[in-house]
Amino acid sequence: GAVVSQHPSRVICKSGTSVKIECRSLDFQATTMFWYRQFPKQSLMLMATSNEGSKATYEQGVEKDKFLINHASLTLSTLTVTSAHPEDSSFYICSATGGTRSTDTQYFGPGTRLTVL
Amino acid sequence: DAKTTQPNSMESNEEEPVHLPCNHSTISGTDYIHWYRQLPSQGPEYVIHGLTSNVNNRMASLAIAEDRKSSTLILHRATLRDAAVYYCILRGGTSNTGKLIFGQGTTLQVKP
Repeated sequence: GAVVSQHPSRVICKSGTSVKIECRSLDFQATTMFWYRQFPKQSLMLMATSNEGSKATYEQGVEKDKFLINHASLTLSTLTVTSAHPEDSSFYICSATGGTRSTDTQYFGPGTRLTVL
Repeated sequence: DAKTTQPNSMESNEEEPVHLPCNHSTISGTDYIHWYRQLPSQGPEYVIHGLTSNVNNRMASLAIAEDRKSSTLILHRATLRDAAVYYCILRGGTSNTGKLIFGQGTTLQVKP
């Protein structure tokens, strides 16, 4: 299957700082990327949908000014957690797809574990 | 998106077949049934998908009921590496956003 990478894999930051997470599709052009958050022992929660060259679409309840998403190219999307607080500590996972048809597969990155002190 | 119902957990012995059920009684005629799995501390990975007919690939088989209100993911010989959370997700219908909405899934334990 296609390969999606995330960087960093793990980050620890102080409360109030901003953290940027990168998501790259390594061997295909991703017209759409998705960002998820997962708390311990819970399922993945979709945060936003990102299409190359346009503004991200956020799910209800997700603060777009706090979670800034940029999808500047067909292989890169970034999620910036601004003014991070301990409650933002979570496992952040991106996925990428070459299309949004019902049959299109999403390829997931390995995740980024964020710990805010 | 239509809702799916899965058992919270299942156990299997290594090298035995595993049948993971999923109920989706409100499935629409154009919804595809997708299965993803998530190994511990990793991102999910695609397993298989189908519409009406049973499907096979190198990872698993998908058996879809004739009325499409339920389906079963079949791992033919479970290995310890198959221990994961398995998610049954419906995609399609009138929406083409490409979103995957994850439920709680089934946590599969494989015993040696």
